[in-house]
Amino acid sequence: EVELVESGGGLVPPGGSLRLSCAASGFTFSSFTMAWVRQTPGKGLEWVAAITDRGRDTHYADSVLGRFTISRDNSKGTVYLRLNSLRAEDTALYYCAKETWIHDFDSWGQGALVTVSS
Amino acid sequence: DIQMTQSPSSLSASIGDRVTITCRASQGIRNDLAWYQQRPGTAPKRLIYAASTLQSGVPSRFSGGGSGTEFTLTISSLQPEDFTTYYCLQHNRYPWTFGQGTRVDIK
Repeated sequence: EVELVESGGGLVPPGGSLRLSCAASGFTFSSFTMAWVRQTPGKGLEWVAAITDRGRDTHYADSVLGRFTISRDNSKGTVYLRLNSLRAEDTALYYCAKETWIHDFDSWGQGALVTVSS
Repeated sequence: DIQMTQSPSSLSASIGDRVTITCRASQGIRNDLAWYQQRPGTAPKRLIYAASTLQSGVPSRFSGGGSGTEFTLTISSLQPEDFTTYYCLQHNRYPWTFGQGTRVDIK
């Protein structure tokens, strides 16, 4: 069974940084693109970033480009999201998600809450 | 970016009703569209992929249709557990984009 477990969320002041981790199990991690999707309280879903199976290619939403960095360690089965220069509008629940072969998402973690506030 | 316009944003219906939710893409996305159900406090759950393929384990009262720019999610007979929020996702071109969501409430 696929399991994705996020960690690293918390309260951070504006301009601060944070690193989220997502530990994966139950599938061949190194064969799949992984992504981060966020959801602001009471609102909708926003795709944030993705990284291909070997980590060669990354993609970002315009809203986080240049501030967030996605990476992965296939030896540890873990994907990361480094969040820099955080803003109040980055406050959200950040989900780790596994892409399928057709590039939608079939598995999600439980989410890590990031709150940006002074 | 491809914009996904989902409608309605909310609807009220009764158990046993047939409901349809629509997503329109700002440009053609072939059939690169999925539908998700999200219950409060939980992660989204995939219902439909490739526009019309039912996810294994999902009840057959859910169906998806469409291609190109217009897509539908239909629930043929609403059950109590279906009263929650639904999202579409386009994964044709980066950045992937979601519809704004449709909340289905009990009338």
